[in-house]
Amino acid sequence: GENVEQHPSTLSVQEGDSAVIKCTYSDSASNYFPWYKQELGKRPQLIIDIRSNVGEKKDQRIAVTLNKTAKHFSLHITETQPEDSAVYFCAAPRGTGRRALTFGSGTRLQVQP
Amino acid sequence: GAGVSQSPRYKVAKRGQDVALRCDPISGHVSLFWYQQALGQGPEFLTYFQNEAQLDKSGLPSDRFFAERPEGSVSTLKIQRTQQEDSAVYLCASSLGSSSGSITQYFGPGTRLTVL
Repeated sequence: GENVEQHPSTLSVQEGDSAVIKCTYSDSASNYFPWYKQELGKRPQLIIDIRSNVGEKKDQRIAVTLNKTAKHFSLHITETQPEDSAVYFCAAPRGTGRRALTFGSGTRLQVQP
Repeated sequence: GAGVSQSPRYKVAKRGQDVALRCDPISGHVSLFWYQQALGQGPEFLTYFQNEAQLDKSGLPSDRFFAERPEGSVSTLKIQRTQQEDSAVYLCASSLGSSSGSITQYFGPGTRLTVL
């Protein structure tokens, strides 16, 4: 089955700096890569996703890049703000119909004001 | 519109008790997923429904776990003879899952299960 590895596990940046989180996946057939943000005690919320037919996608301060050859994808947050502090999870499809997700272990991002 | 809802939000059970967790997906969403999230970890897949059909239950950790979605809408995850290692947040997610290819999963708030 799909195996997703995520790093770093924790990341501390100063407000205004950029943050980068990286994930690798094992199944070359995977074609959809979402990123979720989870604040303490809250539900995971989708912040951006990318399909395998594009190499990069951007939405305001957030971007995701995908390297299919190397089987890795990254989340980039620019001009970080304190409200960006949360745990971020990457994911890749798994199982029957490739509808369910395998998640990475998460990155705790702390943005220092 | 209404998002995914789950009930109860918190459940405390004594070891050996049976529990039932409910998920109300977004109206019209064909696909429904259950995940288990241990403290400090990412969600782990349990099972997946397309309408009323359970297409994948490979993530269920033991035969004490059972899920159903009899009318293709509300789903129930049942855990029999709960053990301490079952303590976790149980997350439900749904997606439109239509032929248009919309596979974005929307999560509910979760049920935090504590087994004493």
